[in-house]
Amino acid sequence: GAVVSQHPSRVICKSGTSVKIECRSLDFQATTMFWYRQFPKQSLMLMATSNEGSKATYEQGVEKDKFLINHASLTLSTLTVTSAHPEDSSFYICSAPHPLGNTEAFFGQGTRLTVV
Amino acid sequence: GENVEQHPSTLSVQEGDSAVIKCTYSDSASNYFPWYKQELGKRPQLIIDIRSNVGEKKDQRIAVTLNKTAKHFSLHITETQPEDSAVYFCAASMGAAGNKLTFGGGTRVLVKP
Repeated sequence: GAVVSQHPSRVICKSGTSVKIECRSLDFQATTMFWYRQFPKQSLMLMATSNEGSKATYEQGVEKDKFLINHASLTLSTLTVTSAHPEDSSFYICSAPHPLGNTEAFFGQGTRLTVV
Repeated sequence: GENVEQHPSTLSVQEGDSAVIKCTYSDSASNYFPWYKQELGKRPQLIIDIRSNVGEKKDQRIAVTLNKTAKHFSLHITETQPEDSAVYFCAASMGAAGNKLTFGGGTRVLVKP
């Protein structure tokens, strides 16, 4: 089946630094990827839609300058959390639709970000 | 935009009993409704889904019903087992099944042996 690989699975960074999270579609091309954030004991909230070859679309309330999204190729989307602060600590997870069929969304493994 | 509400937020059932989780959505254009089970720190795992042209779908102990008129859908788990203990999320989306999802708030299910 289709696989979406996300790295790293866990990262701890110091306040003020930047962290890059990668999401790769391993056996299909993903022109679109979705980035979600999940705070502890809460639901998944869509942050942005990543589009290959064009700018990402951000949901209301999500700072585009803080959460930089780059869809570098048809198999790779990256989310960079810039100038991270403790309140950015969360579970970040990507998903991609398979282009060949009307199938379920394929999720990456998720990244647990802890900012200290 | 779409808004999905999910109830209850916690559910405790005795092993062998049934569990029911209900969701409502706001946008009548939504046409795909998946249910996910999520273990702590893991990705959501699709357990069942239903499209707007179907009223009910069943897969072994799990069933989902959809009422388009009322804009609500429900998850039914029968003969619950301890391994069913997890957080369950409903979601809604428009267009293709893999499209962006609006999630409900989640239900923490505890199955007591």
